[in-house]
Amino acid sequence: DAGVTQSPTHLIKTRGQHVTLRCSPISGHKSVSWYQQVLGQGPQFIFQYYEKEERGRGNFPDRFSARQFPNYSSELNVNALLLGDSALYLCASSPLWRSYNSPLHFGNGTRLTVT
Amino acid sequence: EDQVTQSPEALRLQEGESSSLNCSYTVSGLRGLFWYRQDPGKGPEFLFTLYSAGEEKEKERLKATLTKKESFLHITAPKPEDSATYLCAVQDDSGGGADGLTFGKGTHLIIQP
Repeated sequence: DAGVTQSPTHLIKTRGQHVTLRCSPISGHKSVSWYQQVLGQGPQFIFQYYEKEERGRGNFPDRFSARQFPNYSSELNVNALLLGDSALYLCASSPLWRSYNSPLHFGNGTRLTVT
Repeated sequence: EDQVTQSPEALRLQEGESSSLNCSYTVSGLRGLFWYRQDPGKGPEFLFTLYSAGEEKEKERLKATLTKKESFLHITAPKPEDSATYLCAVQDDSGGGADGLTFGKGTHLIIQP
C-alpha cells in the first residue's frame, strides 16, 4: 500500500513569495496533520484537518493556512515567506481524529529553502 | 504548555553495547506518549505508544517504558541499522481542540560496527 505522499520533495523560494505544499494521505485515512521541522529540532505542529474541517491549530502566524479536499488530500499554503520558514514540512495521516489511539503516519516531507 | 526534553542529544555506541535514551515530559494530563524513529531525509516512523505509568512495549531490540514523569527507550545489543534519530512526543488531554503532538528535539544515535 502507498504511504503518505508529499509534493514537491524540494522547493526553493525567495522571501516574500507564496508556496503551496501538497499531501495525499494513506487510503482510508481521513485525518491529515502538518508539521514544521527546522534542522536539528523536533517537528512542530501546524494544523490538523479531519473530514475537511480544521480541528487543531498550532502556534503559527496567519501567513500559514491549509485546507483538505473531498478526497482527503490536503494543501499547506504559506504567504509572504520569511527566511525562518526554511524547514522540512511534514504531512501525517491517521484514520481517526484523535491520534492517540491511532498513531500518525508521516510522509518524507517537502524541504523548503527560502533565500 | 507541554514540554518534552530528550537526553542525551547524541549517543555513539559500539555494536552490541546496550543503552537507554531518556524522554522527560511535562503535560497537564497525558493522553499518550509516542516514540518515533527518523532516518536522514525521511519522515518519522512510528515505533510505540504508551498510555499509562508502568506500561512497557517491545519491538525487536527496542523496549519503551513509561513513568509519570519520563519514558525510556532501551536498546539491547544494537546493530548499525539502528542508527537514527529517535523522537519522543506527547499528546495531552486538554480538550482544547488542537490534536497536535509536542515533540522533543530527539536523540541522534550512532551504532559503530
